[in-house]
Amino acid sequence: AQKVTQAQTEISVVEKEDVTLDCVYETRDTTYYLFWYKQPPSGELVFLIRRNSFDEQNEISGRYSWNFQKSTSSFNFTITASQVVDSAVYFCALSDLTGANSKLTFGKGITLSVRP
Amino acid sequence: DTGVSQNPRHKITKRGQNVTFRCDPISEHNRLYWYRQTLGQGPEFLTYFQNEAQLEKSRLLSDRFSAERPKGSFSTLEIQRTEQGDSAMYLCASSSGQGMGYEQYFGPGTRLTVT
Repeated sequence: AQKVTQAQTEISVVEKEDVTLDCVYETRDTTYYLFWYKQPPSGELVFLIRRNSFDEQNEISGRYSWNFQKSTSSFNFTITASQVVDSAVYFCALSDLTGANSKLTFGKGITLSVRP
Repeated sequence: DTGVSQNPRHKITKRGQNVTFRCDPISEHNRLYWYRQTLGQGPEFLTYFQNEAQLEKSRLLSDRFSAERPKGSFSTLEIQRTEQGDSAMYLCASSSGQGMGYEQYFGPGTRLTVT
């Protein structure tokens, strides 16, 4: 069975601090995809990144960076120089490829509050 | 490209009533998903369509729930004889691609409150 664990439930930082959101996953699949989504107060889930299990290169996009480590089944997300607009709930998700439908299994989310 | 749209955005209903939600995916996306999200939780998968075919249903989807996607475009999710436990945000997502693991784009959701 697929499982995604986001052990941190709430994080509060002051603007310009760096913050890392942790994600640990479990799967028996050898091929799988990992995702991060942002859910701002408006409620709509916003896609941030997709990573496949064969690509362990870290990725950087502006202030965002992702660290994928297959050895520890982790896919952590770092926001550098956080801003108030980064305040949201962040979800890590795993794509279930059984049955070929690619449904997502989500963690419970991490509520990030960035204070001015 | 317009995003995924869902209607209504909010629905308040009395226990025992039937409700229907609509989802319009991104045009030409052949895959459509329904998820349910309760307070403090991540979205949970309910059902999946590829074109007009409903290929998987979660065991979360009781007999009171039914979903359709006629003609492979918009989809509807109906809940019959609503219960208070059905109160949640119902999210629709769509994706494209011939392979697997493509990112899903979510709509704004329909928030259902059963009183």
